[in-house]
Amino acid sequence: DAGVIQSPRHEVTEMGQEVTLRCKPISGHNSLFWYRQTMMRGLELLIYFNNNVPIDDSGMPEDRFSAKMPNASFSTLKIQPSEPRDSAVYFCASSISRGSYEQYFGPGTRLTVT
Amino acid sequence: DQQVKQNSPSLSVQEGRISILNCDYTNSMFDYFLWYKKYPAEGPTFLISISSIKDKNEDGRFTVFLNKSAKHLSLHIVPSQPGDSAVYFCAASARLTGGGNKLTFGTGTQLKVEL
Repeated sequence: DAGVIQSPRHEVTEMGQEVTLRCKPISGHNSLFWYRQTMMRGLELLIYFNNNVPIDDSGMPEDRFSAKMPNASFSTLKIQPSEPRDSAVYFCASSISRGSYEQYFGPGTRLTVT
Repeated sequence: DQQVKQNSPSLSVQEGRISILNCDYTNSMFDYFLWYKKYPAEGPTFLISISSIKDKNEDGRFTVFLNKSAKHLSLHIVPSQPGDSAVYFCAASARLTGGGNKLTFGTGTQLKVEL
């Protein structure tokens, strides 16, 4: 049974370039979360979708960040333009919104902006 | 404003001994608490959880204790094994009006179990 799938696993880009991170949640899960992990702040929630609709984007750092979920099996997180301080590991997680607190995480995308 | 705090960034324990990882929270609206374990180059994986109506939950070598009055929880691992070496994240949950739940994570504690 496939878990949460993220691509790419590693991304190295230059400052100013557009970066797109991709996520496929577990089939049947209707909640999707994007997190960013840094040493200083740990795991921060960036945005949360329920049934493909963004519910809480208060964690999105700036207008340079945007996320979409066009259907139940795919989501993207885009950074445009990217900056060195965006370097981090970005995780996608999914869960069943009713009756479950547990979230299942993907392997993450390590982003390096030079 | 860090609502979930793990004040010990690292912990070193000898194999066979007890590991105790601590977590404090500030938001009284949190109603469920979880511990996740993370190995390098992998995503966090769920370990054990506890509802706010309980004060203890046990699963094999892992036990989580919740002290609501102190807004404190802890994870006990007995006996500790080298394979337990990982980063442990404490997370707290609050239901969202739009459906689902939001997890707020601590910054993690790196556990090293030495032979």
